[in-house]
Formats: sequence, C-alpha cells, structure tokens
Amino acid sequence: EVQLVESGGGLVQPGGSLRLSCAASGFTFSDHFADWVRQAPGKGLEWVGRSRNKANSYTTEYAASVKGRFTISRDDSNNSVYLQMNSLKSEDTAVYYCARDVRINGYSYMDVWGKGTTVSVTS
Amino acid sequence: DIQLTQSPSFLSASVGDRVTITCRASQGISSYLGWYQQKPGKAPKLLIYTASTLQSGVPSRFSGSGSGTDFTLTISSLQPEDFATYYCQKLSSYPLTFGPGTKVDIK
Repeated sequence: EVQLVESGGGLVQPGGSLRLSCAASGFTFSDHFADWVRQAPGKGLEWVGRSRNKANSYTTEYAASVKGRFTISRDDSNNSVYLQMNSLKSEDTAVYYCARDVRINGYSYMDVWGKGTTVSVTS
Repeated sequence: DIQLTQSPSFLSASVGDRVTITCRASQGISSYLGWYQQKPGKAPKLLIYTASTLQSGVPSRFSGSGSGTDFTLTISSLQPEDFATYYCQKLSSYPLTFGPGTKVDIK
C-alpha cells in the first residue's frame, strides 16, 4: 500500500524549533519529489515547500512565508523527508501534510498525501 | 506572484445537482492546474491534473476544463460523498499557490 506517515508535531513556544518527519512506504520514494503543505485551523491549504529527487540534485523550493526559517531535507535510504522548522511563530500553527509528487508533462502534482501532523505554536 | 481566486466561496446544492466551480489565475498558467477535494479532518485528494485529466479512481462525474487564466471544475450529478471543500492549485511556477477553496454544502 502506498502510504505517507507524518510525525513530530506538538506544542512549541514562539521562537522555538521542531522537526517533522514523513515516512514513505509502498513505492520507490527516491524517484519522487515531495512537498509539505499546511493548513491553519479553519483556513485553506498553503504550500510550504518542495524537495526534489536525486536526479534533480535534491534541490528545494520554499514559500516566502517560511523561507529562511524552514528547511526541507530527505533521506532516500530511510524513505523519509523532513521539515526542520526554526524561529516558529504563532502563525505557523497548522496541520502539516507531506505529499508525494507525480511528474506529468514536466510538472509535479501531489497524488498521495499523509494524514498530517499538528503543530501548535503558543506561549 | 500569481494569485488564484475561486468562485463561489460557498455553495449549497442538492443531491443530483450539476455543480460548477471556477478558478481564475491572475496571469496565464497554461494548463498547469490541479483540483483537490478535502473532507473535514482529512487530507486533500487529487481529483484532476493538467486542468482536465481525471486522476485514476476518481468518478467520471467530475470533470475539469480551461487553460490560461480561467478554469472550471464540474460535478455532473452531485452525490452525498461529494460534499466537501474543493481547491485549485497552480503548478506552473513557484510558489505552488492554492486557491482559497469552495465549500460545497447540502441544501
């Protein structure tokens, strides 16, 4: 079964750090890009960032709202992608989803999603 | 950055109704648009990619059309399991913005 499972969420104070993990199974993780998407309580979806695969030099992209504070990395040997979140703000409170990308005509769509992990930034 | 708007933001419909949701981009994005369905407390689900291609396993009552700046998602005959929030997303360039969503509720 193709599956993504996020972990690492929790309660953190403003200015603190947290590292989220996303474990993939049921497919060849190293072939795919991976994205992080978040959803604040009662709000819409916000793309956070992307990790490209080895064939694309493991490069990353970020939303402006997290650039310089969040870092995406991956470990293909462990079929995992990570989101290191530093200098957290209250507005980072959200459910964080990881998603697998499927490449179609040169562009990637998010075809498999995890169930999400909740991050709460509060004093 | 290219912005996406969706209309309506909320619609109330009955089972069997034909429903159309519009997504508009502030600049042309060719056909690099996806549609997602999200039910409360659940992860989003990919319905349509490249504006009009149905993802495997998605019922044929869902269809997408458009290119450039104007796109539509149509549900030909609304079913009870279709009550959800629908988001468009542009994939043409970074950031990979989502639209604000359209909530489809039961009339």
